[in-house]
Amino acid sequence: GAVVSQHPSRVICKSGTSVKIECRSLDFQATTMFWYRQFPKQSLMLMATSNEGSKATYEQGVEKDKFLINHASLTLSTLTVTSAHPEDSSFYICSAREYFARGPYNEQFFGPGTRLTVL
Amino acid sequence: SQQGEEDPQALSIQEGENATMNCSYKTSINNLQWYRQNSGRGLVHLILIRSNEREKHSGRLRVTLDTSKKSSSLLITASRAADTASYFCATTLEAAGNKLTFGGGTRVLVKP
Repeated sequence: GAVVSQHPSRVICKSGTSVKIECRSLDFQATTMFWYRQFPKQSLMLMATSNEGSKATYEQGVEKDKFLINHASLTLSTLTVTSAHPEDSSFYICSAREYFARGPYNEQFFGPGTRLTVL
Repeated sequence: SQQGEEDPQALSIQEGENATMNCSYKTSINNLQWYRQNSGRGLVHLILIRSNEREKHSGRLRVTLDTSKKSSSLLITASRAADTASYFCATTLEAAGNKLTFGGGTRVLVKP
């Protein structure tokens, strides 16, 4: 089946530093990747939609200069949390949608998530 | 704001019992999906039901969809301790670029 990986799985950083999270589709090409944020015991909130070769589309309330997204290839999207602060601590999950949808409903395949802790 | 709301927020049952959780949404949808998330992990896709379908089965899972009430239910029969997880519904609307909008989730604890 379609596999999506994320790296790193956990990261702890100091306040003010930047952190990059990678999302890779391992066995398929993904023209579209999605980035979600999840606080403890809460649901997933879509942050942005990342399209290969174009600028990401951010959801309302998400600062694009704070959360930089790059989707430079059909198998890799990166999320960089710039000048991270403790309130950015969260679980970040990506998903990928295949270019030629494997199923009839453009299913999204989810990565295992990255736990970010900002001290 | 989130499209879907789920209830209950938490559910505790004994192994072997059935678990039922509900999801309500606000606007017309193309399809509705259910996902499972084990603590601190990614999401696992369970089942998708299209807007023109009313019921769907997959193993011990049964999903219903009532578009007139804008609601869906997920039933897990003969629950097992391994079913302990959070369960989320997510709706897709083609006009919104097929983005997934998640409900608040139901945390299910199955006690052995």
